[in-house]
Amino acid sequence: AQKVTQAQTEISVVEKEDVTLDCVYETRDTTYYLFWYKQPPSGELVFLIRRNSFDEQNEISGRYSWNFQKSTSSFNFTITASQVVDSAVYFCALSEARRGSTLGRLYFGRGTQLTVWP
Amino acid sequence: EPEVTQTPSHQVTQMGQEVILRCVPISNHLYFYWYRQILGQKVEFLVSFYNNEISEKSEIFDDQFSVERPDGSNFTLKIRSTKLEDSAMYFCASSGEDGYYGYTFGSGTRLTVV
Repeated sequence: AQKVTQAQTEISVVEKEDVTLDCVYETRDTTYYLFWYKQPPSGELVFLIRRNSFDEQNEISGRYSWNFQKSTSSFNFTITASQVVDSAVYFCALSEARRGSTLGRLYFGRGTQLTVWP
Repeated sequence: EPEVTQTPSHQVTQMGQEVILRCVPISNHLYFYWYRQILGQKVEFLVSFYNNEISEKSEIFDDQFSVERPDGSNFTLKIRSTKLEDSAMYFCASSGEDGYYGYTFGSGTRLTVV
């Protein structure tokens, strides 16, 4: 069965600190997709990144970077020089590949509440 | 940028009543989904819909729930005989063939059952 674990329930940092959000997943599928979503206080789910299981390249997008390690089944997310606007709940999610659809259902972790203090 | 639109944004209903949550997916998307998030908890899959039929549903999606695509644009979730524990944020999502960006989620409908 698929499972996503975000062990950090809450993280507090001061502005400009770097912060890493951990994500560990379980799946028996050889092809799968990993995602990060941001949920600001307004409640919507904002897509941040998708990573395919066959692509272990790390990715950087501005202050955001992602470290995908298949060997440890981890897909960690780092925010560099955090800002108050980064305060949100961050969800890691896993999807299998499905016949007839690129994506199957998303399995979400419980989320990490990040608070960035000024 | 294309959006998934959900209405209403908030709904309060009495226990036992039926509610219909509405969604307008992105126009060229083919796959539609409903997820829910009980306050403070993780987002949970309810159902996926493709080619005018349910393609997958979770154990949560029992006979109390139904989905429909009544016309070419709307995608609805009906909850019959609502219970207090149905109070949650309900998210609609859609994805295209590629699904590169994962799903595009709507802003959600906050349902409160009193």
